[in-house]
This record gives sequence, C-alpha cells and structure tokens, in this order.
Amino acid sequence: AQSVTQPDIHITVSEGASLELRCNYSYGATPYLFWYVQSPGQGLQLLLKYFSGDTLVQGIKGFEAEFKRSQSSFNLRKPSVHWSDAAEYFCAVGGGNDMRFGAGTRLTVKP
Amino acid sequence: DTGVSQNPRHKITKRGQNVTFRCDPISEHNRLYWYRQTLGQGPEFLTYFQNEAQLEKSRLLSDRFSAERPKGSFSTLEIQRTEQGDSAMYLCASSFFGETQYFGPGTRLLVL
Repeated sequence: AQSVTQPDIHITVSEGASLELRCNYSYGATPYLFWYVQSPGQGLQLLLKYFSGDTLVQGIKGFEAEFKRSQSSFNLRKPSVHWSDAAEYFCAVGGGNDMRFGAGTRLTVKP
Repeated sequence: DTGVSQNPRHKITKRGQNVTFRCDPISEHNRLYWYRQTLGQGPEFLTYFQNEAQLEKSRLLSDRFSAERPKGSFSTLEIQRTEQGDSAMYLCASSFFGETQYFGPGTRLLVL
C-alpha cells in the first residue's frame, strides 16, 4: 500500500536561512509526487509536482524538490526562507483517486 | 476567480443536526474529490466523482455521509445526524481526469 512519511512534525528556521523538508514514500510503481502548502484555515496550494523526467523539479515561490528513487524520497528545499513561508507543508504520493498525504510539517520562521 | 470554491467556509452545528456543504470545481475539470482533514493530519480521501458518477467511496464515509454531483458540475456533501467526531475541515478538489488536483479553501465544521 502506498504511504507517505514526513519525519519532521515541526521545523523552525530563521528568515533568510535555507530550508529542507523531508518526505519519504512507499509506492509500488513510479510515483507521482506532490508538495502542497497550507496556510492556517486555508485550503492546499500546489507548490510543485513530479511525474517523470528531470528529477529536480522547480515550483512556485522559489521552492524546488528532488526525487531520489534509491532513497524513496522527495525532499523540498528553498535556499532562503521568507517570513511569509510560515505554513504547513504536505507531501503527497499517487494521483487521481488514489492520492495519499503525509501528516504535514509545520514551518515556523524566526525573524 | 476560476479556482475551486466551497461554501460555507465555516459551519457550527449541534450534535444530531444535518449539514450540507457545496463545492464548485474548476469549470473544465471532470473529476471532483472530497477529503476530510483533522487537526494535525493531512487530508484523507472520502470520495470522488467523474462527471456525475460517484466512482469510489472510502471506508471513512459512513452511511451518515452522502455526496452528490447531479449535473457533473458542483457537488454537495451532506452529513446526517452529526457527531462531535465529524468536526474537521472538509476539502474539495478537482482535476482533469487523474491529473493534478487543485483544492478549494475548505469548510471547517464544528459540532457542539
């Protein structure tokens, strides 16, 4: 069965520092992988997705993620965090009617 | 605004009452999904439609829950005889077939 693990429940970084959010997945075939961001009380906004091809994927708001098949990982990165990046981040695997989400990582940004 | 919309955004109800939520998908999307999200968790799949046909229901969708998409456009999710455990954010998403899902802002339900 497919599943997603986000090992970090909460991460705090200083504004301007780099960020990496971890995501590990379990999936029987080549996965479709997604990162979504959710601000408090809001729906989910798609940051980026990987379907195939280049394993380094660029997204919106300066985020990128790298698919590593050997490690079953799809970690999200940003070189310099802004205060407005404070939110909940969800990794998801699958697609269509069979998409599974991780439990999320809450990002706090210190001034 | 051409995104997914949901109404109401917030609903407070008493235990035992019925509630209904509405979702309007992106107009060219033929698939519509409902998810439930509880505090500190990611969204959990409830059900989805392709056009007007409800193609899959999760075991989370008890018999008190019913969803419809009568004309293949908007959808409604009804919860009958609400329980405190139904308190959650209910998210709707839409896609073109199995492509990327785009989410609405959600309806937050509080059952007192």
